[in-house]
Parts: sequence; structure tokens; C-alpha cells
Amino acid sequence: DIVMTQSPDSLAVSLGETATINCKSSQSITYSSKNKNYLAWYQQKPGQPPKLLIYWASTRYSGVPDRFSGSGSGTDFTLTISSLQAEDVAVYYCQQYYFSPLTFGGGTKVEIK
Amino acid sequence: QVQLQESGPGLVKPSETLSLTCAVSGGSINNYYWSWIRQAPGKGLEWIGYIYYSGNTNYNPSLKSRVTISLDKSKNEFSLRLTSVTAADTAVYYCARRGEGADDLGWFDPWGQGILVTVSS
Repeated sequence: DIVMTQSPDSLAVSLGETATINCKSSQSITYSSKNKNYLAWYQQKPGQPPKLLIYWASTRYSGVPDRFSGSGSGTDFTLTISSLQAEDVAVYYCQQYYFSPLTFGGGTKVEIK
Repeated sequence: QVQLQESGPGLVKPSETLSLTCAVSGGSINNYYWSWIRQAPGKGLEWIGYIYYSGNTNYNPSLKSRVTISLDKSKNEFSLRLTSVTAADTAVYYCARRGEGADDLGWFDPWGQGILVTVSS
């Protein structure tokens, strides 16, 4: 299985500041011939299902604010939340879809400092 | 807009079979991949498996011996059966569709609201 490791487990960021979440895969999830990175990011608030934010590592899903951005390739990926808002408090998960079984990172909890 | 809704018993006894159904509304079950994902209380997400509208399935090896996913096109729904459950199977179970534009395995969107299933005698 491809193991997805997120860091940090949690972080506290002041309103308006930037939150950076890292996701590392145990093997490359970049399909070189397609020039695509097989990684998605989700946001989960308490009592709710995960909500898709980003796919192909950097493509923002429809309706997702542009303060959310994704980057990276190979085994190292980053979700950046610029100008953190109160409604961004949540747990964020990465997910690889390069290889079965589909696997998720352990999650990163974002709080307001 | 496609919506998914899980249903089934919220309490299952140890060693028995967990059975859940996901009703798909606002769209057809055809031409998509449909997954089950679970989340133990306070824990992360675990993909259980998927079924394609053709009936082809792909299960997580960690659960493969106990899992069956099936679908009913006439009812526009798909189902999960997990046998020989233990307390470790206590979780919120979500159904989800493979996202538009994905190739092969893909991401998940949309998701159902989830249903908590507790395994206890």
C-alpha cells in the first residue's frame, strides 16, 4: 500500500495568516507520461463528510476559495491556506489515487491561534 | 446535483453482518464508480472498496475477505455487506462517487452524510 504521511498533526494559525500542510507519499504518485500528480485534498468539519478541495494536486474544485492552493510532485505535496479565515477551522486530509488501495493521510487539524 | 444517502442499522452485534445501502438521487448510477469509505471515531479515513456500474468491484485487501459491494440499477442504489464484524468495525460509513474527470481510481465527490454503525452486544 502507498502510505500517506501528513505533517504536522495539528497547527494553530492567526486569522489572516498562512497555514501550510504537508503530505508525503511512500512512493511517487506522479504519472510522468501524463504529467499528472494523483493527489487530492479534502476538508472535514465536525459532524460533516469530507469536502473535496483540490485534485490533481493543484486543481481547485469548483467553488473552493482561491486562498486554498495545492502544490508538489513525486512524493511531496503541500496544501496552503492563505489568509486563514475562521471558517477554515477543520481537519484536512490528503488522498492518493495512483494505486489501489486508495489511501488517505492521517489528517491535520487546523485551529485559530 | 447528485446526492447520496446512507441507510441501515446503527447497531450490529459482534460476529454478525453489517449491511448498508446508499441511495443515489439527482443522477444515474450508470457510468460511475461508487465507493464505501469509513472513519472510526476520532480517526482517519479508510477506503473499503468500489463498484463500477457494470458490476466490477475493487476491494481494499485489508477487508477483502469480509466485504461485498453490490448495486441495484433499478433502485439507483448500491450496498455494502461486511461480515464477521468486531468492535474495530465501529465507524461512520460514507458512500461516495468517483469525481468527475478522474481517470482510473480517482478522488471522491460527492459524499453522503455518513451513518454511524456501532458494533456492540
